Formats: sequence, structure tokens, C-alpha cells
Amino acid sequence: DTGVSQDPRHKITKRGQNVTFRCDPISEHNRLYWYRQTLGQGPEFLTYFQNEAQLEKSRLLSDRFSAERPKGSFSTLEIQRTEQGDSAMYLCASSDARVPPAGELFFGEGSRLTVL
Amino acid sequence: AQSVTQPDIHITVSEGASLELRCNYSYGATPYLFWYVQSPGQGLQLLLKYFSGDTLVQGIKGFEAEFKRSQSSFNLRKPSVHWSDAAEYFCAVGPSGSARQLTFGSGTQLTVLP
Repeated sequence: DTGVSQDPRHKITKRGQNVTFRCDPISEHNRLYWYRQTLGQGPEFLTYFQNEAQLEKSRLLSDRFSAERPKGSFSTLEIQRTEQGDSAMYLCASSDARVPPAGELFFGEGSRLTVL
Repeated sequence: AQSVTQPDIHITVSEGASLELRCNYSYGATPYLFWYVQSPGQGLQLLLKYFSGDTLVQGIKGFEAEFKRSQSSFNLRKPSVHWSDAAEYFCAVGPSGSARQLTFGSGTQLTVLP
């Protein structure tokens, strides 16, 4: 068990470019979550998957944000046409929903996005 | 809508002193409550959680928290702080039955003086 890993750890991009972040959850975990954390704030929930199904996506910040988990293992978060306001830390977490009552969330170290 | 308030943005204590970090929540039903710690360059780590039962919960690293329904609070305590406890602490609330959509407070930065 190597924990939740995220790649890249830091991405610098120019406004208008597309970026993609990858998250590899703990292998036996069937739930995967994306959160965003801006400076001085706590993490903000974006979306989550159970296996390959995206069960909640209404909290994605705009239609420029999308996430996938095609085979129920790793996930990607894509931001199209980035804006300076997208600069933040993007956190991934995973949990085992089969563990009652809720399953602890295990967080990765995050991917920091800087939009110039 | 659920919300979490951490009224102290920054707290400074001396090593060996006791610590209490405040957390107030707003939630319409029985909440699931969590405390996480975040050190620079590291991911969020769960310190402790409350789902039901005994309102005083023990966590890792010598931390404990007490759920007080009448005060809508879930304050984190430690009797003797170590220099390695310097970090940012987040309180979070989630819907009962799942930890999926956690709402986090804005955090309390803890500085420990030698």
C-alpha cells in the first residue's frame, strides 16, 4: 500500500491552456474524491466516484472542469481554458465504502496549479 | 447547508502547554465530524472522527475531541503539545452514513514555541 499518489505535484501553465491531473488511489479503495484547496482555506469538495461511476458532479466549479475514472482505478481531473482563478491545490482522496460506517478518506499530497 | 467555523486563524503555544482548537458546525441532522492535520508538503491526515456513541473521542498523536451537540461544537484538545505538532488543523463535517462530501473549516495554523 503506497497511499494515494498524484501527478504532477506542481504544474505551471499559461492562461487559456488545458491541464490534466492524475490520481492513483489506494488499490482496494472503491471511492475516489477530488477537492480543491485555495490559499488560507480548507478543502472544497468537487466530485466523487464509486468505482467508475461519477455519483456527484454538481459541485464542479464550471463546465471547464471535468473528471473521469474510466476503469474504476485511477482518475483524471481536467481543466480546460485555465484562468488565473483556477490557481489552487487540487487534492485527491480515496476510501473504501465497504468499511462501515463511512470509510476514512485518505488524501494524496495534492497537485498545485499555478496559472500565469 | 452544512458549514464549519474555526474561529481561530492562528494559535501560538509553548511546547508542553495544553492546546484547544475550536470548531463549530452547522448541520441539520446528526453529523459525522472529523479533525485533519496538514503539514507543509504533506497530505491531510485524519486525527480522529466522531460518528456516534461516546462523545469524547481519542485520536492519534495524543489528540482528543469532544462532541457537544448543545453547543454544536467539536473542539480538539491535547494536554501537552510537542514541537512536531506545528501544522494546520482542519475540522470537517459530513453527512451521516458517508464521509463523502465533507465540508471543511478554513483551518487553524498552530505554531509551537520552544
